Amino acid sequence: GAGVSQSPRYKVAKRGQDVALRCDPISGHVSLFWYQQALGQGPEFLTYFQNEAQLDKSGLPSDRFFAERPEGSVSTLKIQRTQQEDSAVYLCASSPTRGGSTNEKLFFGSGTQLSVL
Amino acid sequence: GQQVMQIPQYQHVQEGEDFTTYCNSSTTLSNIQWYKQRPGGHPVFLIQLVKSGEVKKQKRLTFQFGEAKKNSSLHITATQTTDVGTYFCAATRLNSGYSTLTFGKGTMLLVSP
Repeated sequence: GAGVSQSPRYKVAKRGQDVALRCDPISGHVSLFWYQQALGQGPEFLTYFQNEAQLDKSGLPSDRFFAERPEGSVSTLKIQRTQQEDSAVYLCASSPTRGGSTNEKLFFGSGTQLSVL
Repeated sequence: GQQVMQIPQYQHVQEGEDFTTYCNSSTTLSNIQWYKQRPGGHPVFLIQLVKSGEVKKQKRLTFQFGEAKKNSSLHITATQTTDVGTYFCAATRLNSGYSTLTFGKGTMLLVSP
């Protein structure tokens, strides 16, 4: 596709429900990032994939958060037993390179707005 | 971890006035990137600065990287309503074999016609 695609665009979940958020990066992009953006805040790093390898998951808030990218393209962020504090916009971004000493620019998707009631 | 602080948090200007946002770090940065996020939108890359003292211009936007590579600024001359949005700086965090971006909290710009 022309850009990074995320689905669903909006997700309402009841507290305790599991959710799965999908990211379709730009074809051929090596790097894939997930960020969490609370209202009025900057994007907070969650996790990073280089192809299918999850090299960094230091930003995942708890073990309820899990991400995968099994074939090095599409990625899924899963949140188990959602809680109200999980409400935020979840942004996916991709980059054509693995990012060495100077990062290439990130291409962001439109995000998934998660509301946990 | 590495953090970048942005000021001001918010600014409201009249169309035609200038605007500046500042990004500061306590540590030396390898580079700095700037992104713009329109209301309801997603961050869009504006520019990357790498060299000490670097200045880059994009039409009415001027980006600077400090001599010590610990601060950066974005200046908009004669703002227009299309400049409305939140401007984020982001610093590269180097790891072994890859790098990630750490974003500031952003400066929200409102422009009144």
